[in-house]
Amino acid sequence: AQKVTQAQTEISVVEKEDVTLDCVYETRDTTYYLFWYKQPPSGELVFLIRRNSFDEQNEISGRYSWNFQKSTSSFNFTITASQVVDSAVYFCALSEDNQAGTALIFGKGTTLSVSS
Amino acid sequence: DAEITQSPRHKITETGRQVTLACHQTWNHNNMFWYRQDLGHGLRLIHYSYGVHDTNKGEVSDGYSVSRSNTEDLPLTLESAASSQTSVYFCASSEASVGMGSPLHFGNGTRLTVT
Repeated sequence: AQKVTQAQTEISVVEKEDVTLDCVYETRDTTYYLFWYKQPPSGELVFLIRRNSFDEQNEISGRYSWNFQKSTSSFNFTITASQVVDSAVYFCALSEDNQAGTALIFGKGTTLSVSS
Repeated sequence: DAEITQSPRHKITETGRQVTLACHQTWNHNNMFWYRQDLGHGLRLIHYSYGVHDTNKGEVSDGYSVSRSNTEDLPLTLESAASSQTSVYFCASSEASVGMGSPLHFGNGTRLTVT
């Protein structure tokens, strides 16, 4: 079973539109972390945010906001007033405990295209 | 500034050859990871290490090996390259466990083509 599901493969919007990227996760751990990463066309992976399983407060950072809901196992990412520079692949990730320790499991990513 | 460096950036090799991708970090992190990125699959974990002489298999470890002889380096070896291993490979490190919220710092990736 997929541990992190990003059902939206590709999203296209026009500048200034708001857009929400969905992330649904599955875990048996009671303590875990969720992350969002951005991969712009240049290819590097940039850390955006982390959230632990005990903190369901929404977070806002400029035009970015994140909505974490344990009841629906979701950690959605909203970009307000999108800009062309937001065009990128966005990955949601979940920390997963295993016998050796903890690793980060990624979703398949959502490609966001913002046109002017 | 501390960083994580992957080399080479691009590599073309033939089927059956042994290939080693280098990863070097100056963060002094104990935790290091190798992922591969493929269209439609996202990032998948190959191998990881939590310290010197520690190595562990990830989701897609078949055909790959790693060794950790010091803190700074985690080279990834493809024992006998196959066309299915054509991919972009990312190395990453973290200061503490991701289970404690420590984010991964990624290298810029190595694009490997197996012909």
